[in-house]
Order: sequence, then C-alpha cells, then structure tokens
Amino acid sequence: NAGVTQTPKFRVLKTGQSMTLLCAQDMNHEYMYWYRQDPGMGLRLIHYSVGEGTTAKGEVPDGYNVSRLKKQNFLLGLESAAPSQTSVYFCASKRTGGVDVTGELFFGEGSRLTVL
Amino acid sequence: AQSVTQLDSHVSVSEGTPVLLRCNYSSSYSPSLFWYVQHPNKGLQLLLKYTSAATLVKGINGFEAEFKKSETSFHLTKPSAHMNDAAEYFCVVRLTGGGADGLTFGKGTHLIIQP
Repeated sequence: NAGVTQTPKFRVLKTGQSMTLLCAQDMNHEYMYWYRQDPGMGLRLIHYSVGEGTTAKGEVPDGYNVSRLKKQNFLLGLESAAPSQTSVYFCASKRTGGVDVTGELFFGEGSRLTVL
Repeated sequence: AQSVTQLDSHVSVSEGTPVLLRCNYSSSYSPSLFWYVQHPNKGLQLLLKYTSAATLVKGINGFEAEFKKSETSFHLTKPSAHMNDAAEYFCVVRLTGGGADGLTFGKGTHLIIQP
C-alpha cells in the first residue's frame, strides 16, 4: 500500500549543484503536483502535470524543471541550486482535476532539501 | 481571485477540551473547501471536505467543519482534544471547475495539546 513515494527523503547540496527529486505513485492517478513548504508560508505549487507527457507551471516555478515521461512518475529538477531553494518538497497526486468532486490530494512524506 | 486565511498560527488546548481552528475564505465562485492535517515529518492527509452538499461536514478522527456562506467561513472543530491531534492543520479552497489546479492553501495552524 505504497501510495506516493518520494526519493530521496533528505539531501544536502552546495550552491550551484544540480539534483533530481523523484515522485512515484501507484494509484494510476492522472494529476501530479510538486509543492514546496516553508515555515509560515503554507504550501506553494511549483509545477504540476495533468497527464503523461504534459507539465505546467504553478505559483513558484523559477529555478525548477519537471518531467512526466511515465504516468506513475513525476520528476523535479534543480539545475543550479540556490540557498533560497532550501525547503521541504512534497509531491502529491489526484485522480482527476477540473470538476473532480473528490478533490482529494494524496501526498508523499516529503523531501527535505538544504542548499548551503 | 481566491484566498484563504487561517486566523491563528498556533492554537493550544488542554487534552479533553474542545478544539476550534478558524478559516475564512474569499472566492467569487462556489468553492470546494478542505481541511488537511500534517503530523510531524509526514505528508498531508485529508481530514474532511465540503463540495456543496451538506454544510456540516464530518471527517476522520472526530473532526467536523461547518460551511457558512454568509460568513465565508469553514471552521474546524472537535469536541474533545486528544494528544495525537497535535499537528499542523491546513485549510484549502478550490474553485469548482477551476481548471487543473485551483487549490489555494492557508498558511497553517499549529495545534498544541497540553496534557
């Protein structure tokens, strides 16, 4: 009963390094999301995907790239990490979007990234 | 534009006493409203949701919330707090028919349970 799995759970980077966060879901959900969580800020949407091969920008997309080559996976990349990207990153998935009456997001347990 | 305001960043109650977490929203359209809970070092979990059916919504773990359109509020309550209710709670608003992602998260309320 895996649900949404994020790897890695922790990572420390130096400024300018690159890395990729992997999100995998086993619920056959169409929609996937990447959020960042910062103290006192709630969750802010970075990028999202409405299906395999599609991605779109969210509220705070700068400095990040994403790919959805397979339906079950959603990758978040940092090409040149900056200290401002120190955060906890959450991946989430949802069965459908738009007028989906459930609206329930299923979250992973988070990936804590520190950029020195 | 839609927004959501959680009126308290921290709420502290004693075990066994009622819990009230306040949420006000701003939306020009019929909203869907959610409460999510986040326990330490965990992801968010859906507590309950309002999607234009009954205005009093019951969720998991004894929580409930009432949608009040006239007050644009969706406050979360529980009659008797338990120690394992200590967590971060997020109120979330979504526009009905609002595209791929119309979700707006509140900044969270940290619930502290005193023994």
